[in-house]
Amino acid sequence: AQSVTQLDSQVPVFEEAPVELRCNYSSSVSVYLFWYVQYPNQGLQLLLKYLSGSTLVESINGFEAEFNKSQTSFHLRKPSVHISDTAEYFCAVSEVGYQKVTFGIGTKLQVIP
Amino acid sequence: EPEVTQTPSHQVTQMGQEVILRCVPISNHLYFYWYRQILGQKVEFLVSFYNNEISEKSEIFDDQFSVERPDGSNFTLKIRSTKLEDSAMYFCASSPLASSSYEQYFGPGTRLTVT
Repeated sequence: AQSVTQLDSQVPVFEEAPVELRCNYSSSVSVYLFWYVQYPNQGLQLLLKYLSGSTLVESINGFEAEFNKSQTSFHLRKPSVHISDTAEYFCAVSEVGYQKVTFGIGTKLQVIP
Repeated sequence: EPEVTQTPSHQVTQMGQEVILRCVPISNHLYFYWYRQILGQKVEFLVSFYNNEISEKSEIFDDQFSVERPDGSNFTLKIRSTKLEDSAMYFCASSPLASSSYEQYFGPGTRLTVT
């Protein structure tokens, strides 16, 4: 069975500073990897996903994540955060061929003005 | 932009009571899901549903739970006899196709409080 570990429950960062949210996963088979974001009082929204091909994937709002198979990681990065990036970020994994998505516990990103 | 909606946003019920959580998935989607998040814990998969059948379910989804698509628009989760440990945020999701390579669109959630 797959699992996801997000080591940082909260990450405070100053506006315009870079940020990295860490995610490690475990699975014995091929996986898809996701980052979801949840803004206050809203549902989960897909931020970006890795299915295959290039190991670096990007979102439309400047986030990127790199799939590292040897380290079983899928860390999320942004070179310069904005106040509006304050939210909770969930790393998730699913095994190819299955519908179930397994989530990490989430990391709260707090951007400080 | 189409979105998944859920009602109610907050439901309070007494232990032992039946509760039905409602969801309206995106209209052209074919696959429907329920997840839950107990406070301070991970979002957990409960069940997926397609063509009026359960296609996958987790070990959490026992006989106390059932899902139904009673008409062309609603997707419901029923808990027959609620327990205190059923208190959680319940998220409905839908996707156009089966594989998780297709994005699952989530609703805002229903907070269930069992007293």
